[in-house]
Amino acid sequence: DGGITQSPKYLFRKEGQNVTLSCEQNLNHDAMYWYRQDPGQGLRLIYYSQIVNDFQKGDIAEGYSVSREKKESFPLTVTSAQKNPTAFYLCASSMLAPAVSYNEQFFGPGTRLTVL
Amino acid sequence: AQKVTQAQTEISVVEKEDVTLDCVYETRDTTYYLFWYKQPPSGELVFLIRRNSFDEQNEISGRYSWNFQKSTSSFNFTITASQVVDSAVYFCALSEAGDNNNDMRFGAGTRLTVKP
Repeated sequence: DGGITQSPKYLFRKEGQNVTLSCEQNLNHDAMYWYRQDPGQGLRLIYYSQIVNDFQKGDIAEGYSVSREKKESFPLTVTSAQKNPTAFYLCASSMLAPAVSYNEQFFGPGTRLTVL
Repeated sequence: AQKVTQAQTEISVVEKEDVTLDCVYETRDTTYYLFWYKQPPSGELVFLIRRNSFDEQNEISGRYSWNFQKSTSSFNFTITASQVVDSAVYFCALSEAGDNNNDMRFGAGTRLTVKP
């Protein structure tokens, strides 16, 4: 089945450790995104990538890093520099829209990160 | 800057009641896109609908309907004859044309609880 997978579903880490969240898609989508969701808040964009080996910062990129070595994969590393990393992380993907059209983003099931 | 406001933090209804989720947006662009997503307890965001700013025609899909009014910058979502399975957090989102999918702004979400 086509879709987006994120692993693991739940992740626990000690404070000060880097942790990498996985995101894989087999939808042949060009663009991929990482969002952070905090309780009672909407989604905030961390990073996005439109093409392999290229990515751009979103609104809250500080303390995070990403890579896009393959079209299908867009892992997110939460570094020790992120001061409040406990949150729900959602990965999404989409086709790249032509100038007069728009393609919705499809989301993975998310990873809930808890830093102890 | 674009902004999405979902003033209703939580709504609770009894099964079979109709319920309307409000969404008000702000944008300076004349071309933009509006979305609704559903987030069930599992966490994954499910795409419900996309509208572009040139199409104010209301849409109905089964028990779901959407009322887009540019005059009031609103894109409200109504569920008719609600069911327990409708319980979820619903997000409204906005993206301005030309951003190529990169800048989707989400509201804070409305948590809908449908009681049997």
